[in-house]
Amino acid sequence: AQKVTQAQTEISVVEKEDVTLDCVYETRDTTYYLFWYKQPPSGELVFLIRRNSFDEQNEISGRYSWNFQKSTSSFNFTITASQVVDSAVYFCALSNYNQGGKLIFGQGTELSVKP
Amino acid sequence: EAGVAQSPRYKIIEKRQSVAFWCNPISGHATLYWYQQILGQGPKLLIQFQNNGVVDDSQLPKDRFSAERLKGVDSTLKIQPAKLEDSAVYLCASSFSGTGHYGYTFGSGTRLTVV
Repeated sequence: AQKVTQAQTEISVVEKEDVTLDCVYETRDTTYYLFWYKQPPSGELVFLIRRNSFDEQNEISGRYSWNFQKSTSSFNFTITASQVVDSAVYFCALSNYNQGGKLIFGQGTELSVKP
Repeated sequence: EAGVAQSPRYKIIEKRQSVAFWCNPISGHATLYWYQQILGQGPKLLIQFQNNGVVDDSQLPKDRFSAERLKGVDSTLKIQPAKLEDSAVYLCASSFSGTGHYGYTFGSGTRLTVV
C-alpha cells in the first residue's frame, strides 16, 4: 500500500522561529519520488521540491531545507526564521514510478506564522 | 510557458444539477490528472489520462462522474447529478510523462459548491 502521513494537523509559531513539518511515507516500490507543495489561502498548489528515492542528500534552498531518510521513510521539511508569508497549508506527496505517476498526498499541515 | 488553464474558477449549483469543468494542460504534456480536494484534506486522484486513454479511474464515482480527453489535449470533467458531498476544489494537473520523473504542473482549480 502507498500512504503519506503528516501527523501534524496544525502548527502555530511566532515569526523568526524555526519550524519542522513531518512527513512519513509508505511504499513497496524502489523507485519513487517525494514532493512538498505549498497551498496558500488563494488555493493554488505551489511546487517546492521533488526528490527521487535514490538521492538521500539533504537539500537547502534559502530558508527551506529538506531531510530525506529512507531508513525511517521520512521526508521532513524545515523552515528557518519563519515569516508571516510562510503561513499556508503544506502537503507532502508520493509518486511511484511504476504506478502511473499519480500523486498520493498527505492530509496536509496548516502552518500559521504570527508576527 | 503557459500554465495549466482551468475554468470556471468558481461554480455554485444546486444538488441534482449537472456541472462541467474544463482543463487545458501544458502543451506537449501527455499525462493529465484530475484531483478532488475536499476542504481540510489532501487532493485525491479521480482520473488519469495518458494522451486520450484512461490510465487510472479507480477512484472516480462512475455513477455520477465522467471525464474525457479528446484528441489528447483538453479535458472535461462532468458531474451529473451533483451531491452535497461533491463540494470541493477540482484540480487539473499535467505532466510530460506518467512517471513522476518530470514533476507536475497544477492549475488554479475550480471551487465547486453544491447547495
